[in-house]
Amino acid sequence: ILNVEQSPQSLHVQEGDSTNFTCSFPSSNFYALHWYRWETAKSPEALFVMTLNGDEKKKGRISATLNTKEGYSYLYIKGSQPEDSATYLCASTSNDYKLSFGAGTTVTVRA
Amino acid sequence: GAVVSQHPSRVICKSGTSVKIECRSLDFQATTMFWYRQFPKQSLMLMATSNEGSKATYEQGVEKDKFLINHASLTLSTLTVTSAHPEDSSFYICSATDYPEQFFGPGTRLTVL
Repeated sequence: ILNVEQSPQSLHVQEGDSTNFTCSFPSSNFYALHWYRWETAKSPEALFVMTLNGDEKKKGRISATLNTKEGYSYLYIKGSQPEDSATYLCASTSNDYKLSFGAGTTVTVRA
Repeated sequence: GAVVSQHPSRVICKSGTSVKIECRSLDFQATTMFWYRQFPKQSLMLMATSNEGSKATYEQGVEKDKFLINHASLTLSTLTVTSAHPEDSSFYICSATDYPEQFFGPGTRLTVL
């Protein structure tokens, strides 16, 4: 199990503003970095899987970057909307495919 | 995306009883499923890896006789919490692999009285 940390634990953002938050993970034996979006009472929704240093992925207004050499990933939300309110989880795997999760960043978008 | 169901979503039981939780991949076959547990304000913690047709492998500190896992088919894994006690109260969630991604069920809230 890898030590994965997310920061901040929670944040509030005004509707229309952009925001970002971080995930740090061990860079040794790195295989993949996953981002999930988790709304209460629902299944965590897979957002991105990234494997290569410098990877950037985008899904609508949400994007993510990956730096495997220094062991961090950023998730960006552009023009936040109330439906973006959720807990965002990151998880790192080594080559055994086991996910080690961070504690999550809970985003609340205020109208 | 792929869909994983989990049943029941919530269960309350008396101390000493056993509880079975089912995890199903609905639209894909999963040779490997994972079981996680989450205590309040903590990360999802991997409990065990469930492999179709073979024994589950457990993470350090997880009692295999307490948490029985059966992966009888490519679409179903079950977790049985045997002789549950109040300290087993937690949120249990499964995932199914469709490499390289893992897809999660909605989780089961277990409360042991």
